[in-house]
Amino acid sequence: EVQLVESGGGLVQPGGSLRLSCAASGFTFSSYEMNWVRQAPGKGLEWVSYISSSGSTIYYADSVKGRFTISRDNAKNSLYLQMNSLRAEDTAVYYCAQGYGGYVGWFDPWGQGTLVTVSS
Amino acid sequence: QSVLTQPPSVSGAPGQRVTISCTGSSSNIGAGYDVHWYQQLPGTAPKLLIYGNSNRPSGVPDRFSGSKSGTSASLAITGLQAEDEADYYCQSYDSSLSKVFGGGTKLTVL
Repeated sequence: EVQLVESGGGLVQPGGSLRLSCAASGFTFSSYEMNWVRQAPGKGLEWVSYISSSGSTIYYADSVKGRFTISRDNAKNSLYLQMNSLRAEDTAVYYCAQGYGGYVGWFDPWGQGTLVTVSS
Repeated sequence: QSVLTQPPSVSGAPGQRVTISCTGSSSNIGAGYDVHWYQQLPGTAPKLLIYGNSNRPSGVPDRFSGSKSGTSASLAITGLQAEDEADYYCQSYDSSLSKVFGGGTKLTVL
């Protein structure tokens, strides 16, 4: 069974940093592209970042470009999101999601999410 | 404001058919990019419902169907059941090099 388990969320002050992790199991992690998607409290879904299976191709949403860095360690079956210069508007549940169909494709499955709260 | 536009809410009685629209533009759906749909039950992570406009992953009931035409797409749910009450999101790709979502539609089963 495919499993994605996020961790690393928590409360951080504006301007601070946080590193999210996503542990993958049940599939050949190194063969699949991965994404981070977030959902602010009571709001809709927002795609954050994409990384190809090898890590050679990376994309970011404009809202996080220059502040967030996506990476992966295929030997550890893990996906990461380094978040710097955090703002109140970054407060959200962050989901990691396996990608299909290339960069224009879809997300399946999703992890259970980890909550990031940016507040003083 | 989302790049893809969905109605904030729809409702229907058990057994009825409801549709949820997803309207885009010439830079996303109208450019030929596929539309995908997700179901988010209260307090849970989103789940893939339809991919590639009209394909159902294994395990998704055939009560759910998707279609696409021009700059819009639709999700249809027939034989509405109480457990279908959830938020539904469409997703596509935009030529601005971004994956985009609709704002979400809350389905209420009366």
